[in-house]
Amino acid sequence: LAKTTQPISMDSYEGQEVNITCSHNNIATNDYITWYQQFPSQGPRFIIQGYKTKVTNEVASLFIPADRKSSTLSLPRVSLSDTAVYYCLGYGSGNTGKLIFGQGTTLQVKP
Amino acid sequence: AAGVIQSPRHLIKEKRETATLKCYPIPRHDTVYWYQQGPGQDPQFLISFYEKMQSDKGSIPDRFSAQQFSDYHSELNMSSLELGDSALYFCASTQDRENANTGELFFGEGSRLTVL
Repeated sequence: LAKTTQPISMDSYEGQEVNITCSHNNIATNDYITWYQQFPSQGPRFIIQGYKTKVTNEVASLFIPADRKSSTLSLPRVSLSDTAVYYCLGYGSGNTGKLIFGQGTTLQVKP
Repeated sequence: AAGVIQSPRHLIKEKRETATLKCYPIPRHDTVYWYQQGPGQDPQFLISFYEKMQSDKGSIPDRFSAQQFSDYHSELNMSSLELGDSALYFCASTQDRENANTGELFFGEGSRLTVL
């Protein structure tokens, strides 16, 4: 499974776009990049997943460059309720499906 | 939509006691994962089951055991509890065939264990 590195914390203000970058230099050819969100005392929640280029859903966008050594989660126009920990994880279908959480990014959205 | 159900939500035990946590996966999900999250820590993978068989094992102490039953619910049994076992325990489920493509696990709200 890919070892990922992301900033420990980030601050933002309501209405701004937030970009959280994750480094995964040793990602395997078959690994996907998956992002999860976790609120205090709640279980992690799947946000988005991608392999290459750009993926967008109703919550976020995920940008993965051609070399796949990093990825950027983009949250458009954040609100106070987006304050949470965000985890970037490498995921491969051959790993029995478990997710290995590293240190996530604590995003604090201020009014 | 139905979610992963965990019980109890809160549990207080004394040192050296035993505790059992239960997890009811989303209907038709055949795979269950257990995670432990200590205060200020990231979730740590403990163990997983697919079709009632253990499929993977992580940093689960020997004092802990788990199983998945015929109705796919799972139980995590913890014995000789220590203060350091105080944590949030999450169960997650997925349908294995779908998970192979999406990496999406569905987590429950967790069971908070406090060991005094």
